Order: sequence, then C-alpha cells, then structure tokens
Amino acid sequence: EVQLVESGGDLAQPGGSLRLSCVVSEITFSNYAMSWVRQAPGKGLEWVSTISGSGSSTYYADSVKGRFTISRDNSKNTLYLQMNSLRAEDTAVYYCAKARGRFGDLDYWGQGTLVTVSS
Amino acid sequence: DIQMTQSPSSLSASAGDRVTITCRASQSISGYLNWYQHKPGKAPKFLIYAASSLQSGVPSRFSGSGSGTEFTLTISSLQPEDFATYYCQQSYSTPYTFGQGTKLEIK
Repeated sequence: EVQLVESGGDLAQPGGSLRLSCVVSEITFSNYAMSWVRQAPGKGLEWVSTISGSGSSTYYADSVKGRFTISRDNSKNTLYLQMNSLRAEDTAVYYCAKARGRFGDLDYWGQGTLVTVSS
Repeated sequence: DIQMTQSPSSLSASAGDRVTITCRASQSISGYLNWYQHKPGKAPKFLIYAASSLQSGVPSRFSGSGSGTEFTLTISSLQPEDFATYYCQQSYSTPYTFGQGTKLEIK
C-alpha cells in the first residue's frame, strides 16, 4: 500500500520560514508527479503546488508564488515544500499527495502536517 | 482561474438514502473532474476521476457523471461511513481548484 508521511509542520513567526517533507513508500517515486494541498482552519481544500516526476516542471498557486518552492529528491523518495515569508493566512494543515497519472488527479494523500503562523 | 461551485453546501440525510451533489465549473473542463471524500483528522480519499471512473477499492454505490461544466456525484444508498465532506476538483488546468465542499450529515 502506498504511504505518504509528512513532517516539518510547526509554529512559525510571520515572515519566517519552514520546510515541509513528505516521504513516500511502495511506489517508483520518480514516475509520479506530486502535489501539496492545504486546508486552513474551518476552510476547504486549496491546491498549493505540483512538481513533475523528474522535478523539471513546477506549478504554484498565485497565493504562494514567489514565497514557496516545491522540490523533490528522487533518490530519497522525498518531496519538499520550502515556505518563506510566511503569513498568518498560510496557517493550515498541509497534505502531500501523489498524482495518479494526470498531474491534478491525486490518488493517495498523507495525513497532513500542521503549520501555524503567529507571533 | 476556473471556479468550482458545489451545491448544496450541506446536506442532511439518513442511512439508506440516495443523495446527489452537484459541481459546476466556471468554464468547460471537458471531463477532467475528480471527487474526494474527507473526514476530520484523516487523509482525503480519492473517489472518482475523469468525471465517472471509480477509483480502485471505492464501493460501487458511488458514481459520477457529467462533462463540460456540470457534474454530479451520487451515493446510491448511504452507509454510516459515508458521512463526511465531499469535494469536487478540476484537473483541466492549473491552479487545480476545488469546490468549497459539501458536508453530508446524519439526519
């Protein structure tokens, strides 16, 4: 069974940085695009970013463009999200998700990691 | 950006009921529409892709239909484990927008 385990969520100050990680097992990791999706408290799901299997192509929501960077290390089966210039509105549970084939079709998800941005 | 609008936002139903959730896109997305189930504190679950294809392992009481701008998710006979929030999502183009969610509650 495919497993995705996120880590790195924490309390950060406005303007601060955090790096999230997601370790994926039981798949040939480099064959699949990966995404980050978040859910702010009391809100719905919001797509954040996607990276291709090779890492050569990346896509971002306008709300995080220029502040967040998605990357991957295929030798470690690990996905990353570097989050800089954090804002209160970035407070959310962040999920990593695997693409089924088409980049936006997210067939397996992790349990999420909580990021809180507050002074 | 493509806006996704679900209706209703919440729904009360009983076990055994048939329920339908509608999702509308602000422009045509062909058949690139997914449905997810989400329970508090859990990972979202992928139910249906390409508007009507059932993900492996998902019970056959779930079905999807539609194309272009209007789509539906139907649960033919609600089971206790189906009470959750359901989201549609378009995978036609980035940003891969989600609907606002439909919370399915026990009547």
